Amino acid sequence: DIQMTQSPSSLSASVGDRVTITCRASQGISNYLAWYQQKPGKVPKLLIYAASTLQSGVPSRFSGSGSGTDFTLTISSLQPEDVATYYCQKYNSALTFGGGTKVEIK
Amino acid sequence: EVQLVESGGGLVQPGGSLKLSCAASGFTFSGSAMHWVRQASGKGLEWVGRIRSKANSYATAYAASVKGRFTISRDDSKNTAYLQMNSLKTEDTAVYYCTRLVVSSSYVVDYWGQGTLVTVSS
Repeated sequence: DIQMTQSPSSLSASVGDRVTITCRASQGISNYLAWYQQKPGKVPKLLIYAASTLQSGVPSRFSGSGSGTDFTLTISSLQPEDVATYYCQKYNSALTFGGGTKVEIK
Repeated sequence: EVQLVESGGGLVQPGGSLKLSCAASGFTFSGSAMHWVRQASGKGLEWVGRIRSKANSYATAYAASVKGRFTISRDDSKNTAYLQMNSLKTEDTAVYYCTRLVVSSSYVVDYWGQGTLVTVSS
């Protein structure tokens, strides 16, 4: 089974900072990679699919890149409303998730 | 409007069984693969398994952590997917979500139910 490894598991940054979260697949998954945002008590929200395509309605400060085994989610200017846990997910066949990255404001 | 409504959660003793249901509406259920995802309190998301459509032979796949204990099925006449959970362990305690992921060459759309809580405890 393909494993998804995210890092870091948590981070604290200031408003306006650039934030980067990485996700590594144990085998190549082409670009079948999505990023989700989950706030407490809510279901996950799809931010990015196909590694780099922004879901409709998602602010442009979010971006994704990568292909194969290494992927990145970037928040170009962190906002207070971005406090959440972020998950990567591969979606070719099994929907395996990364362990999550909790983002907080410093 | 797509709706997924889970039911059947509750308290069960270790070693016991429970069957969850996911009632779907607002789309062609019979043509859709359906997934189950769980989340223990304060923990991350874990994919449990999926069932494909009749056109794809109702093929199922499971996470290693539940393989051999959980079974996913569906009744297309009732627009409902099921998760039969046997030999439950305390570590199976979680909110269980029914999800649908639509993947095309030009878009991806996801739908989630509100979740149902399963507590495995003596």
